[in-house]
Amino acid sequence: DIQMTQSPSSVSASIGDRVTITCRASQGISRWLAWYQQKPGKAPKLLIYAASSLQSGVPSRFSGSGSGTDFTLTINNLQPEDFATYYCQQANSIPPTFGGGTKVEIK
Amino acid sequence: QVQLVESGGGVVQPGRSLRLSCVASGFTFSNYGIHWVRQVPGKGLEWVAVIWFDGSNEYYADSVKGRFTISRDNSKNTLYLQMNSLRAEDTAVYYCARGNMVREVMVYGMDVWGQGTTVTVSS
Repeated sequence: DIQMTQSPSSVSASIGDRVTITCRASQGISRWLAWYQQKPGKAPKLLIYAASSLQSGVPSRFSGSGSGTDFTLTINNLQPEDFATYYCQQANSIPPTFGGGTKVEIK
Repeated sequence: QVQLVESGGGVVQPGRSLRLSCVASGFTFSNYGIHWVRQVPGKGLEWVAVIWFDGSNEYYADSVKGRFTISRDNSKNTLYLQMNSLRAEDTAVYYCARGNMVREVMVYGMDVWGQGTTVTVSS
């Protein structure tokens, strides 16, 4: 199985900040990576697919980049509604596997 | 609107069975692969199983292989997860989630998620 390692596990940030989350795959997954946002008690929400494609309806302050084994999710101009936990997921092969999550907290 | 609604969760003793359902609405169910993903409260996401849009293929996580069966009835817009020989470690919130593209189950992620149904395995 492909292991997905996210860092950091948590980050404290202020409104208006830029936040960067990284995700590393244990082997190459081309561009087949998705990012999700999850708030407490809610289902995950797809933000980014195919490493850099913004899901319909997701604000443009979210962006993704990377290919192969190293990927990044960037949130520009952090808004109050962005405080949540973020997960990466490799979609290259079965079983799809998730990173451990990054909790974005208010500083 | 496009949605998935899970049901069937509950408290069950170890070794017993439970069947979860996931009813789809607002889209052509038979065009999409569907996954089950679970989450222990306070923990991360774990993929459980997937079934192709036409039911032609199904795959499972090693942790549930041989105990869980995913199936679908496209005439009823419904996905199922039959869970047998349940263990304490199966305790989690179970989500069904749609593959992001028509007839493409995997590579574009999961774009529509249900609200989840809670399974508790305890004596």
